[in-house]
Amino acid sequence: GQQLNQSPQSMFIQEGEDVSMNCTSSSIFNTWLWYKQDPGEGPVLLIALYKAGELTSNGRLTAQFGITRKDSFLNISASIPSDVGIYFCAGQYRVNSGNTPLVFGKGTRLSVIA
Amino acid sequence: DTGVSQDPRHKITKRGQNVTFRCDPISEHNRLYWYRQTLGQGPEFLTYFQNEAQLEKSRLLSDRFSAERPKGSFSTLEIQRTEQGDSAMYLCASSFLRDWISPLHFGNGTRLTVT
Repeated sequence: GQQLNQSPQSMFIQEGEDVSMNCTSSSIFNTWLWYKQDPGEGPVLLIALYKAGELTSNGRLTAQFGITRKDSFLNISASIPSDVGIYFCAGQYRVNSGNTPLVFGKGTRLSVIA
Repeated sequence: DTGVSQDPRHKITKRGQNVTFRCDPISEHNRLYWYRQTLGQGPEFLTYFQNEAQLEKSRLLSDRFSAERPKGSFSTLEIQRTEQGDSAMYLCASSFLRDWISPLHFGNGTRLTVT
C-alpha cells in the first residue's frame, strides 16, 4: 500500500526562525493535504493542494505539490510559539467514485523556543 | 459550533467490555470517515460512509468492530470484546464530495483506554 515518509520527525527551533518539512510518497497522489494537530485535539486542515506544481499560501504557511506528484513540502515563516504542534502530511488518489481515503504520514513534531 | 462533534471525549473500559462511540458530522457533509490514531503515529483509516452506505473498510477493522450511519447523518462505531490493543484515539471526519475535491474535517476524537 501507499506509504508516506515525513521528515524531519521532530524539530526544535527559535521563535522567529523559518521552518521547512517535507513528505515523500512511494506512489503518485492527486491531492496533498497538510494538517496540524494540538495535544488532545483532532487534526486541523492547513492547506490543500490539488495540482502538480501548485504553490499555495495560508498566512505564514506555504505548501507546494511536487511536480513528480510524489512529494510535498510545507514551510512556516517567522515561527511563533503557537506554531507548536504536530504537522501531518496526507495524500489521496482520485478514482471514479471520488477520492480514496487519506493516507497520513507519521508527523513532524515542532517545538518553538521563545 | 458547526464542526465535527464526537462523544464521549474519553472512555476507560475493562478488557472484554463493549464500547460505542458517536460522531456527528458537519451537517451538509455527505461523507463520514473513521480513523484510529495511536501515540506517535498519524491517523490510520478504518472505514467510510457516503450518506448511509458503508463504501470501504480497512483491514484494520476486525470483525469486533462495526460502524453504522443509519440515516446518513450521525455515525456510531462499536467495538465488541475490547482488547488492550484497541487503546487509541478514534477520530471521525467528514467531507462533502464535490468535483473530486473533498478535504476532510476532523473532530477532536474519542480517546479509548482499555485496562
